[in-house]
Amino acid sequence: SSELTQDPAVSVALGQTVRITCQGDSLRSYYANWYQQKPGQAPVLVIFGKNNRPSGIPDRFSGSSSGNTASLTITGAQAEDEADYYCTSRDSSGSHVVFGGGTNVTVL
Amino acid sequence: QVQLQESGPGLVKPSQTLSLICTVSGGSISSGGSYWSWIRQHPGKGLEWIGYIYYSGRTSYNPSLKSRITISLDTSENQFSLKLSSVTAADTAVYYCARAATNQDAFDIWGQGTMVTVSS
Repeated sequence: SSELTQDPAVSVALGQTVRITCQGDSLRSYYANWYQQKPGQAPVLVIFGKNNRPSGIPDRFSGSSSGNTASLTITGAQAEDEADYYCTSRDSSGSHVVFGGGTNVTVL
Repeated sequence: QVQLQESGPGLVKPSQTLSLICTVSGGSISSGGSYWSWIRQHPGKGLEWIGYIYYSGRTSYNPSLKSRITISLDTSENQFSLKLSSVTAADTAVYYCARAATNQDAFDIWGQGTMVTVSS
């Protein structure tokens, strides 16, 4: 079982804002990183660390954290943002990597 | 820019050892600070971290798979590899190699993935 918990699915109207959450005790000590995965493709890193975007990632993607919950926010969701989103961080020992179960985002 | 490419058999028999190689191009595998990971995805399911090898050779493995995993570096070939022993149908998955350049869990570069089926 994953030490990071995500809601299985969320939906958002085109152009609106959606927040995807990732919960876990280790998030009190470590930042989460976020990945976007479209069908048949490898995941893409969209947010890492406190709130950093790799080159080429639109600024509508942002990250935040509070307590044991990390969040990925998409402000002004576009049709192309429809995908699965995964968080990663360390486990409670800090020595291993864990993935959240993933959230499927539907843009209506 | 750095690119990763997985290679290996697409079909492995039960109880045998799954062996995959990730070839790194556009950069050196022994450059400081990089973690080289294997990640898998069962059909229709989420992502599962298998383990990583640090550029220095230090490894860390998923505790649930640790007894069956070996990840190693081949700096002369600019490759790293995964060996997963005693496979069963539950090991059928798409296997990705990935690089984490800063934090060990921030995978900034991924291979395209390779499907491995365990079946007799």
